[in-house]
Amino acid sequence: AAGVIQSPRHLIKEKRETATLKCYPIPRHDTVYWYQQGPGQDPQFLISFYEKMQSDKGSIPDRFSAQQFSDYHSELNMSSLELGDSALYFCASSLERAGGDEKLFFGSGTQLSVL
Amino acid sequence: AQKVTQAQTEISVVEKEDVTLDCVYETRDTTYYLFWYKQPPSGELVFLIRRNSFDEQNEISGRYSWNFQKSTSSFNFTITASQVVDSAVYFCALSEAYGSSNTGKLIFGQGTTLQVKP
Repeated sequence: AAGVIQSPRHLIKEKRETATLKCYPIPRHDTVYWYQQGPGQDPQFLISFYEKMQSDKGSIPDRFSAQQFSDYHSELNMSSLELGDSALYFCASSLERAGGDEKLFFGSGTQLSVL
Repeated sequence: AQKVTQAQTEISVVEKEDVTLDCVYETRDTTYYLFWYKQPPSGELVFLIRRNSFDEQNEISGRYSWNFQKSTSSFNFTITASQVVDSAVYFCALSEAYGSSNTGKLIFGQGTTLQVKP
């Protein structure tokens, strides 16, 4: 079965650079969530989108922005990168509309290293 | 505020032993959802189970079983006859309800690293 696809798997950037992470949800899933997992930490919710509209916001820095496109894929844009942004970034998807399966399935993550 | 506590940071067992991972949660909501995820060394988060607060029936899936005790706010996870492939970090998580289901905004515990030795 198709899963959540994230690209790239690994990304190395320098301080003050920008990065764009992509997420392709499971087909027919309408909701996307972004999480950040620092080294040895638990995942922290950043932001979510339902039907291309932002649905909830967590501890996402102002330097980060995200959007969901008409094909339901989502992109997380990160600017002015800092060393502390080095983390594993997960995308998850679910089907929220009535009658859907709301289980949350995660992608394999993008490992971002800021040097 | 919602909170999930996994007091066991690391557990080490020998293959074929049974092991229980503890999870205690805090929430003011009357309706909520609890999850367990497995994170193997490869890094992905693998969904194991979702349980809503109204369903206190224990669940068994192969070697895995879950014990939900609402009275003690606990949702413990037991692996029977552990195997080396069970070695991973296990996360317990909580989400609030949204309508008749959960939101995907999960509050994770700190995770328990399970090492199963041959």
